[in-house]
Amino acid sequence: GEDVEQSLFLSVREGDSSVINCTYTDSSSTYLYWYKQEPGAGLQLLTYIFSNMDMKQDQRLTVLLNKKDKHLSLRIADTQTGDSAIYFCAESFSGGYNKLIFGAGTRLAVHP
Amino acid sequence: EADIYQTPRYLVIGTGKKITLECSQTMGHDKMYWYQQDPGMELHLIHYSYGVNSTEKGDLSSESTVSRIRTEHFPLTLESARPSHTSQYLCASSESGEDTEAFFGQGTRLTVV
Repeated sequence: GEDVEQSLFLSVREGDSSVINCTYTDSSSTYLYWYKQEPGAGLQLLTYIFSNMDMKQDQRLTVLLNKKDKHLSLRIADTQTGDSAIYFCAESFSGGYNKLIFGAGTRLAVHP
Repeated sequence: EADIYQTPRYLVIGTGKKITLECSQTMGHDKMYWYQQDPGMELHLIHYSYGVNSTEKGDLSSESTVSRIRTEHFPLTLESARPSHTSQYLCASSESGEDTEAFFGQGTRLTVV
């Protein structure tokens, strides 16, 4: 079946790198996404990677995909207090209605 | 910035009341979705729509119903609210086509007492 798992909490010091990990079970996904949810706000798409890629870099964000191990990670370089939020990993499947399967989210806390 | 709006942001209501959660988008998107999110849990799709007069149930069974009379509007209704309906409800929309980006509203946090 389809399942996405993430660790629930990560605490880092300001200026350090953060790495948020995600594992998924269904290898037929087409895209994998990282969404950010700030307190009281909706989800904001941060970045995504096509399933036939293994890395994507976008400014401070680096996404790594290990399709063999079904493991996705999001690295945030030079983490700032404004990066404190919940980060959701999601996978999508082709055909129809953009079915997105979300993980439970990782709460990132950035401290001075 | 995404032009998708949900009202109300917060709602506390008594058991047995009928409620409608509003969702509107001004992007002309054909596809719209409702997700339910319990605290600390993943999002679950409860309803989606391909376009006007199209509605389908999602992966998670829900007692709520939806309608899509206009492209920009996708309200969700609970005929008789119960404490088990307490959750956050997130609306999203996306363009037609596969794997297009989904834009989310800010959510409605519903508490049924």
